[in-house]
Amino acid sequence: DAKTTQPPSMDCAEGRAANLPCNHSTISGNEYVYWYRQIHSQGPQYIIHGLKNNETNEMASLIITEDRKSSTLILPHATLRDTAVYYCIVRFQGGNKLVFGAGTILRVKS
Amino acid sequence: NAGVTQTPKFRILKIGQSMTLQCTQDMNHNYMYWYRQDPGMGLKLIYYSVGAGITDKGEVPNGYNVSRSTTEDFPLRLELAAPSQTSVYFCASSYGRSYNEQFFGPGTRLTVL
Repeated sequence: DAKTTQPPSMDCAEGRAANLPCNHSTISGNEYVYWYRQIHSQGPQYIIHGLKNNETNEMASLIITEDRKSSTLILPHATLRDTAVYYCIVRFQGGNKLVFGAGTILRVKS
Repeated sequence: NAGVTQTPKFRILKIGQSMTLQCTQDMNHNYMYWYRQDPGMGLKLIYYSVGAGITDKGEVPNGYNVSRSTTEDFPLRLELAAPSQTSVYFCASSYGRSYNEQFFGPGTRLTVL
């Protein structure tokens, strides 16, 4: 699985969009980008995933660059409950493993 | 649906003791996983199972054993607890490896003294 690089921490004002970047320059053509988050002391929670097209669901949007070497997770209107560690994971579609890095600590502040 | 449940929530063990961490899911998922998370770190895969009777090693299997006799249950066994096994353990399940979402349990916080 390709390695990902994320900033260690970010701050965001409540009600504003949170944009979390992820670099995955060694991603291969059949690897997907997944995002999970982990709210303090809880198990990780799936957010969204994509291959090369931008994706949106009720939680977030995922923007993947055309060369697929980086992506951005967008929480459109961050709330205090979105404070968590966000993990960007690259995974082969048929693979079993989620390889978690250190993630980005997102702090949403009022 | 209760989802993925884990017991116990907390446990303190002495060095050399053994214990079993329980994991049950009620979503009829084929795939189940055990991860550990050390302080300030991401999760690491210990073992996984693709169905009843089938298990395989993950990244950090040493010191652990698993079994999968039913679809619902995937217990993790520590035979000779060591301080290096102090961690938070998460169980997860998914419908299949081609499906994208793994559902995680609330975790078991284990301390070995």
